[in-house]
Amino acid sequence: GAGVSQSPSNKVTEKGKDVELRCDPISGHTALYWYRQSLGQGLEFLIYFQGNSAPDKSGLPSDRFSAERTGGSVSTLTIQRTQQEDSAVYLCASSFASGGRRDEQFFGPGTRLTVL
Amino acid sequence: SQQGEEDPQALSIQEGENATMNCSYKTSINNLQWYRQNSGRGLVHLILIRSNEREKHSGRLRVTLDTSKKSSSLLITASRAADTASYFCATGNQAGTALIFGKGTTLSVSS
Repeated sequence: GAGVSQSPSNKVTEKGKDVELRCDPISGHTALYWYRQSLGQGLEFLIYFQGNSAPDKSGLPSDRFSAERTGGSVSTLTIQRTQQEDSAVYLCASSFASGGRRDEQFFGPGTRLTVL
Repeated sequence: SQQGEEDPQALSIQEGENATMNCSYKTSINNLQWYRQNSGRGLVHLILIRSNEREKHSGRLRVTLDTSKKSSSLLITASRAADTASYFCATGNQAGTALIFGKGTTLSVSS
């Protein structure tokens, strides 16, 4: 596709349920990022994947959050036992390079998660 | 933690006026980027300025960087209603694995 795609665009769930959010990065981008944006807040880094390297998970807020990137392409962010404070827009981004270079990141439209 | 802090938090202007937003950051940087976000969804990259640059232009956008003051400004000239959005500055984290964003400036341009 032309850009980063995310699904679903909106997700409403009940407290305690698990949710999976999907991200399809731009073809050829080796770096993939997940961010979270709570109402009226800036973006909070969650996790970063680069090629076959071990992901940087330092931004994950709790062990209820995990993410995978299969085959160096599609990524899934999983939130177990969701809490109301998990309600936010979850944004995925990808880029050509990372590490010492802070390249332009291309963002998807986000998934708006609402936990009731 | 947030690296960049934008100022002002909100800005309302008329079409045709110029809009200036400022950003301050805390640690040394390789570059600083500005992004725009419409309706609380995906961000769009606007411009990147490297630490050895002082000013950069792109269309109606002008970005300045003062590394001695750890600050940057984004100027939008001859604003349009379509410029209504939130604007964020971003710098790289120490590990080089992510961008750190401020809380943004919300710009409203009325016709």
